[in-house]
Amino acid sequence: GESVGLHLPTLSVQEGDNSIINCAYSNSASDYFIWYKQESGKGPQFIIDIRSNMDKRQGQRVTVLLNKTVKHLSLQIAATQPGDSAVYFCAENYGGATNKLIFGTGTLLAVQP
Amino acid sequence: NAGVTQTPKFQVLKTGQSMTLQCAQDMNHNSMYWYRQDPGMGLRLIYYSASEGTTDKGEVPNGYNVSRLNKREFSLRLESAAPSQTSVYFCASSEGDGGWTEAFFGQGTRLTVV
Repeated sequence: GESVGLHLPTLSVQEGDNSIINCAYSNSASDYFIWYKQESGKGPQFIIDIRSNMDKRQGQRVTVLLNKTVKHLSLQIAATQPGDSAVYFCAENYGGATNKLIFGTGTLLAVQP
Repeated sequence: NAGVTQTPKFQVLKTGQSMTLQCAQDMNHNSMYWYRQDPGMGLRLIYYSASEGTTDKGEVPNGYNVSRLNKREFSLRLESAAPSQTSVYFCASSEGDGGWTEAFFGQGTRLTVV
């Protein structure tokens, strides 16, 4: 799911399959990364985070992978469910005194029953 | 525990009018943020306040001003609204101080400028 044009990239998966959502971040000095889920008409909600001194972190049904060499994050959702349908954003925290939080473009996950 | 509260939830302005979007958090967070989200797009940072008493420009600050009134409140002002400012505005807060904690978001303000 890379950002192109003005429309969100879409990932369509079958219920029960695993989903992988990708994100490229911009600042090599960013030290903290977060994945958010946004359902229609709502504000973003926290899913999982990872610090820059880690390359993998697991939660319940979700795993985040961080590759600092190529400034890439991925979110893996196991056994995708209809309730997982939403827009997913990665965010990077520039850290230090600035604490500036910048979002990526987002990916629409559509789960087919 | 209300979290992050934004007011109003909806607003229609005429071109050239001014208004202030209000945001308050009750989590004793140090950092606060204002984002805008256009249809089918991601969140873009307008302004942020890393701690009480400081504010800094984000990615798209033109046409906006902010005030960190106190630790709880961070307002966003449109001095002369333009149709290009039609968007959904989100306020967020985080623990800040360089801490590795996520930002919590309000429910958004849907602004239409005609």
